[in-house]
Amino acid sequence: QQQVKQSPQSLIVQKGGISIINCAYENTAFDYFPWYQQFPGKGPALLIAIRPDVSEKKEGRFTISFNKSAKQFSLHIMDSQPGDSATYFCAANSIIQGAQKLVFGQGTRLTINP
Amino acid sequence: GAVVSQHPSRVICKSGTSVKIECRSLDFQATTMFWYRQFPKQSLMLMATSNEGSKATYEQGVEKDKFLINHASLTLSTLTVTSAHPEDSSFYICSAPLGGPGYEQYFGPGTRLTVT
Repeated sequence: QQQVKQSPQSLIVQKGGISIINCAYENTAFDYFPWYQQFPGKGPALLIAIRPDVSEKKEGRFTISFNKSAKQFSLHIMDSQPGDSATYFCAANSIIQGAQKLVFGQGTRLTINP
Repeated sequence: GAVVSQHPSRVICKSGTSVKIECRSLDFQATTMFWYRQFPKQSLMLMATSNEGSKATYEQGVEKDKFLINHASLTLSTLTVTSAHPEDSSFYICSAPLGGPGYEQYFGPGTRLTVT
């Protein structure tokens, strides 16, 4: 059962453009939504994260928009650069009976053309 | 800088042998660590939660006798793949929450396991 659905699978954006990746979740017990960036052969790196009591969070060129009622959140990368080319994963965190669990989306392979 | 390290980064072993992968939290203590598995071009799948001082919690479908987890100290968790088979070849990644359970998880650099 896929609890976090991510789209698109792949995305090509021109340098300087805006990259947008979307995620939707089902479980209302999720309380924290991070985005990770992964380069080939490397572990995921935490990029930015948001909690459901906030509708938007911005850090530099990266912005998360969060819609609690629609159970959707998205990552916007402004002024996209070739160095942003990587795979991006959204995730959702829950703590049930003291046990933390992070569920990942399917991933989006982002390519920024110079 | 890195907050979670893994060793080795790459390992090749023969079928039937066992392989141990270490995960260390750097400069912080982690009572809980997590082990993930990632196949090429796929997402991360949680295998198990490693708990310091107690048994690991395995996700449904993960064989606990095949993937042995030991959380030896507050900064070290190990994953041992026993009697490895070619289908166990994968990218294994650990993570730890900086600040304790419920906080942001930071991931190690991963270990590429190839079973021949």
